[in-house]
Amino acid sequence: GDSVTQMEGPVTLSEEAFLTINCTYTATGYPSLFWYVQYPGEGLQLLLKATKADDKGSNKGFEATYRKETTSFHLEKGSVQVSDSAVYFCALSDNDSGYSTLTFGKGTMLLVSP
Amino acid sequence: DADVTQTPRNRITKTGKRIMLECSQTKGHDRMYWYRQDPGLGLRLIYYSFDVKDINKGEISDGYSVSRQAQAKFSLSLESAIPNQTALYFCATSDGTGRTDTQYFGPGTRLTVL
Repeated sequence: GDSVTQMEGPVTLSEEAFLTINCTYTATGYPSLFWYVQYPGEGLQLLLKATKADDKGSNKGFEATYRKETTSFHLEKGSVQVSDSAVYFCALSDNDSGYSTLTFGKGTMLLVSP
Repeated sequence: DADVTQTPRNRITKTGKRIMLECSQTKGHDRMYWYRQDPGLGLRLIYYSFDVKDINKGEISDGYSVSRQAQAKFSLSLESAIPNQTALYFCATSDGTGRTDTQYFGPGTRLTVL
């Protein structure tokens, strides 16, 4: 079956530091890949997505590139802010059947200090 | 107004009680989902519905049931609540647009079973 593996947190950084959160996946088909973010006390919201190999998703300074050869979709940001403190979820949707659902990783908490 | 709403936001109940969590959406989406979130386990799919007449079990459906009353409403029931159903529950919707399908989450219901 499909699965997503994320690095365990919490990841603790100082403001303006570089961020990488690793994500690798296993899928039976050719999935679409997503990063969702959950701010404290809120539901998840889409951060970025990529639907085919070598696509780069980007939003709010975050980026992730769909690497089919390494089955990875690592999240990066060049300079984090305190407001980026949240839980980040990597997810995949295996679309071959047309009736796909999302498979989530366990989430990585990011804590950014001033 | 929020596009995906959940009621109640918080609920404390006792073992053996029947509980219903409700979800409503104004996005006009056909697809709706129920997840539970537990610390360290990420999000796990309980049930999903691709249209009003379609109901499907997810990864962890035992002990839960659902009802899709209308396109806009999808309810989750715990027939006889037990303490290990204590969790944060999320409803989500999507419009089923193939590889770019994005899920939109409600704010969550925190359920405690004593």
